[in-house]
Amino acid sequence: EIVLTQSPLSLPVTPGEPASISCRSSQSLLHRDGYNYLDWYVQKPGQSPQLLIYLTSSRASGVPDRFSGSGSGTDFTLKISRVEAEDVGVYYCMQPGQAPPYSFGQGTQLEIK
Amino acid sequence: EVQLVESGGTLVQPGGSLRLSCAVSGFTFSSHWMHWVRQAPGKGLVWVSRINYDGSDTLYADSVRGRFTISRDNAKNILYLQMNSLRADDTAVYFCVKDRLHTGTYVGFRWGQGTLVTVSS
Repeated sequence: EIVLTQSPLSLPVTPGEPASISCRSSQSLLHRDGYNYLDWYVQKPGQSPQLLIYLTSSRASGVPDRFSGSGSGTDFTLKISRVEAEDVGVYYCMQPGQAPPYSFGQGTQLEIK
Repeated sequence: EVQLVESGGTLVQPGGSLRLSCAVSGFTFSSHWMHWVRQAPGKGLVWVSRINYDGSDTLYADSVRGRFTISRDNAKNILYLQMNSLRADDTAVYFCVKDRLHTGTYVGFRWGQGTLVTVSS
């Protein structure tokens, strides 16, 4: 079973400042098709999770370009260039490529200072 | 627009059964893998089960294997989760999730709004 470890688990950020979340996998997420199967989702208060980034670095439709994803193999990062108040929520990394099971990180709570 | 609408969640006694449904629209349901993912109150996301595009292949988390059954009706565009022998630790919001095309093209998971299952006496 692949274990995803996120850090930090709590992330207080001043509006306008950058933020970064790390996700480390216990096994390589590089698929035979050449893609690293690692996604990022955000769950805003009272809502279901919504896709931010898929396949490590592809932004989902409608996601602002202040969000970016990078990494390969076992180390991945989500970056927000300038945090806004609407970015408050819990951020999860997820690996959809090696199953079972499909695994999630523990979640990182982003809050505004 | 992709829509996934779960229903069927309710309060059920330990040992009881429940069937969740997920009605979908806005995409070709019969071409996509689908999942159920759950979230216990105040906790993180946990994958439960996956079904391939035509229902011929299913996967389960260890915690539900033998008790839960995922299925689909491609003619009605509905995903199901039959839940038997329910336990208190099955209490969670259950999300219906759209996955990749049967060809393998992957563009991330899309989630429904969830339905709450509470297992308690």
